[in-house]
Amino acid sequence: DAGITQSPRHKVTETGTPVTLRCHQTENHRYMYWYRQDPGHGLRLIHYSYGVKDTDKGEVSDGYSVSRSKTEDFLLTLESATSSQTSVYFCAISEGTTSYNEQFFGPGTRLTVL
Amino acid sequence: RKEVEQDPGPFNVPEGATVAFNCTYSNSASQSFFWYRQDCRKEPKLLMSVYSSGNEDGRFTAQLNRASQYISLLIRDSKLSDSATYLCVVNGGEGNQAGTALIFGKGTTLSVSS
Repeated sequence: DAGITQSPRHKVTETGTPVTLRCHQTENHRYMYWYRQDPGHGLRLIHYSYGVKDTDKGEVSDGYSVSRSKTEDFLLTLESATSSQTSVYFCAISEGTTSYNEQFFGPGTRLTVL
Repeated sequence: RKEVEQDPGPFNVPEGATVAFNCTYSNSASQSFFWYRQDCRKEPKLLMSVYSSGNEDGRFTAQLNRASQYISLLIRDSKLSDSATYLCVVNGGEGNQAGTALIFGKGTTLSVSS
């Protein structure tokens, strides 16, 4: 158990509404990541954080923003949800070294945008 | 665009069979290599890291060929419980924060039957 929780686990929302997903870790790891997983695409990186208030964009960051005000929490916000953002969202943590940088995943959030 | 390519399968094998999965990656600067396992509607879980010299963990053997940018996973004596999707994963390769992010293959599905 990597001590990662995500909330909510399931959410249905309507197009145009804001949505915030939360990732919480108890391991005090420096690095945190948000991925989305869609059929035919595998997991793709949205944003990541390498410390409190330090974040950067990933491959599919358009339409998403993140914040990390505490080591243990990494928030993903969809400012105005669109149907293309229907997906499964996974948070991950790691120590962040470039060698053997194992990442451990939370249980995921299933988001449906109608 | 950096990519990781896998045969999607499915691989359908009987219990006790030996099965091999292959993967190629495009970024020669990648330094970390992994196999993850993902069960249906669950998060990816680290199966094993892949070392240059090759490594074994029980019935699982992983090999890395840096020159060919090729990774393999061999599963011996397959069990019903091995049924899952196996994800080939490499790191981004940059020598900075971005290098800690992982690039995922789309996965190879294994179904083991009795």
